[in-house]
Parts: sequence; structure tokens; C-alpha cells
Amino acid sequence: AQSVSQHNHHVILSEAASLELGCNYSYGGTVNLFWYVQYPGQHLQLLLKYFSGDPLVKGIKGFEAEFIKSKFSFNLRKPSVQWSDTAEYFCAVKTGNTPLVFGKGTRLSVIA
Amino acid sequence: KAGVTQTPRYLIKTRGQQVTLSCSPISGHRSVSWYQQTPGQGLQFLFEYFSETQRNKGNFPGRFSGRQFSNSRSEMNVSTLELGDSALYLCASSWRTSGGTGELFFGEGSRLTVL
Repeated sequence: AQSVSQHNHHVILSEAASLELGCNYSYGGTVNLFWYVQYPGQHLQLLLKYFSGDPLVKGIKGFEAEFIKSKFSFNLRKPSVQWSDTAEYFCAVKTGNTPLVFGKGTRLSVIA
Repeated sequence: KAGVTQTPRYLIKTRGQQVTLSCSPISGHRSVSWYQQTPGQGLQFLFEYFSETQRNKGNFPGRFSGRQFSNSRSEMNVSTLELGDSALYLCASSWRTSGGTGELFFGEGSRLTVL
């Protein structure tokens, strides 16, 4: 069965620092990849997605992610974080007809 | 366009009781999935319904059940509640069943506390 690993449980950054959150999945077939974000008190919302094509995908609010098939990875990046990026970030992977599988999440705290 | 609506938003129950949670998907969405979110385990898949039929089921005990109505609204039920059932229960809808792209639209969740 597919599994998703997010390497960092909690990341603390200062404003303007660069961000990279790691995500690896276990099954190497055809996959659809997602990053979701959950701001405090809000519902999970889609940040970006990859289905096929250019492995570097851009999402909302300046986020991007790179799909590296050989490494089974889909890391999330942002060049300069803001206080408003404080949230929990979830990587998710879809394989075939199976349900979407989520990682355990990474909590990002951005301090002024 | 209204999003996914879950009710109730918060509820407190005691061990041994049962609970029913409701979810109204985005208009036109026919697939509803349920997830349990806890701090230690993240989001764990419970089940998915499409056209009133359960299409996928996660690894949860039989105390967890669900159904979907002809208008795509869904309910999930947890019987004989245990302390470990305390969690945020998330409902998500999509256009298609799991054979689709996998993109889900989430509600705000129902936070269940079991005392």
C-alpha cells in the first residue's frame, strides 16, 4: 500500500527565510501528487497539484513543488516565507483507483 | 458556490455513546470521502461513497460506518465511542470517485471529543 512520509514534524522559520518541506512516497507507479494547507481554524485547501508534464509546479501564494520521480519525492518550496504562511502542510499521493493517502503533516511556524 | 458543509462543528460525547456526523458536498459533486485527523496520525482514510455505494474503505473497526443519500449528502456513524475516537472528522467531496484525479475539496470538519 502507498505510504507518504513528511520528514519534518515542526519547522520554525523567521520571516523572509526560504522554505523547503520534504515529502516522499513509497509506490513508484503513476501517481498524482498534492500539497494541501490547513491555516489555523480553517479547512484544508489545495496548495498545488501535479498530474503530469513539467515536474516543477507552481501553486498559490508563491509556493512551488518539484516532482523527482527517481527519488519518489515531491518537495514543497517557497523562496521567502511570511507570517501568514503559518499553517500545517500535508503532502498527499493518489495511486490508481485507491483513495488519496496523506502524510502526517508538517507544522510551519513563521516568526517575525 | 457553497463549499462542503459539515455538521455539527463541535460535539462532546461520553464513552459508549454513538454519534452521527453529516456532510453536504459541493453542488454537483457525487463522491464523498471521510477522513479522521488526529495530531499523531495525520489524516487517515475512513471510507468513500459514490452514487450511494461505498467504493473504498479504510482500516477502521466496524464501529465506524457511513452512508450516502440520493442527493449525495453523506453521514458517518460511530457506535460505542472510545476515548481514542476523539478527533477531527473531515469530509471531502469530488466530481468523481477514486478513479479520478484525486483532487478533494474539504469541509471544516466535525470535532468530536469523547470523555
